[in-house]
Amino acid sequence: AQSVTQLGSHVSVSEGALVLLRCNYSSSVPPYLFWYVQYPNQGLQLLLKYTSAATLVKGINGFEAEFKKSETSFHLTKPSAHMSDAAEYFCAVIKNTGFQKLVFGTGTRLLVSP
Amino acid sequence: DAGVIQSPRHEVTEMGQEVTLRCKPISGHDYLFWYRQTMMRGLELLIYFNNNVPIDDSGMPEDRFSAKMPNASFSTLKIQPSEPRDSAVYFCASSPTGISTDTQYFGPGTRLTVL
Repeated sequence: AQSVTQLGSHVSVSEGALVLLRCNYSSSVPPYLFWYVQYPNQGLQLLLKYTSAATLVKGINGFEAEFKKSETSFHLTKPSAHMSDAAEYFCAVIKNTGFQKLVFGTGTRLLVSP
Repeated sequence: DAGVIQSPRHEVTEMGQEVTLRCKPISGHDYLFWYRQTMMRGLELLIYFNNNVPIDDSGMPEDRFSAKMPNASFSTLKIQPSEPRDSAVYFCASSPTGISTDTQYFGPGTRLTVL
């Protein structure tokens, strides 16, 4: 069965610092991987997704993630944090194309201080 | 486009009462999803529809939960009878062609409190 593990329920950075949110996956087949962001009292918004094309995926708001099969990782990064990036971030996986059942990680809350 | 619309945004009810949550997906989207978010269990897919047909309801907790999609522009999630452990935020989402080939758009959610 597919699953993802997000390391760190909370990550704190200063404005302008590098953002690194960690996600490791477990899958018996090449997975499709996603990062979503949830702002307070809102639904989730797709940041980016990996679907077996380029291993470095660029998303919205300056975020990107790199699929590393050897490390079974799909970490989310942003070079310079903004206050507006403060939110909860979820990594998620599906088995492959045609499947619709997303399995979410437990989420990482990003805190950005001035 | 107005996005995915959910109603009500907040619902407070007493144990044993029937609760109906409503969702209007984005026009033209073939897929509709219902999720539940709790502190204990995180985000879970309850059920999804393709072209108004329920495809996978394996995430529905028990028989007290039911979902319908009578047409392409409307879906309901019903809990009868409700219990305190059903307290959660329920999200509806829709997608044009599915999440592997397209984007999934979430509604703002309904926060349900069962007393």
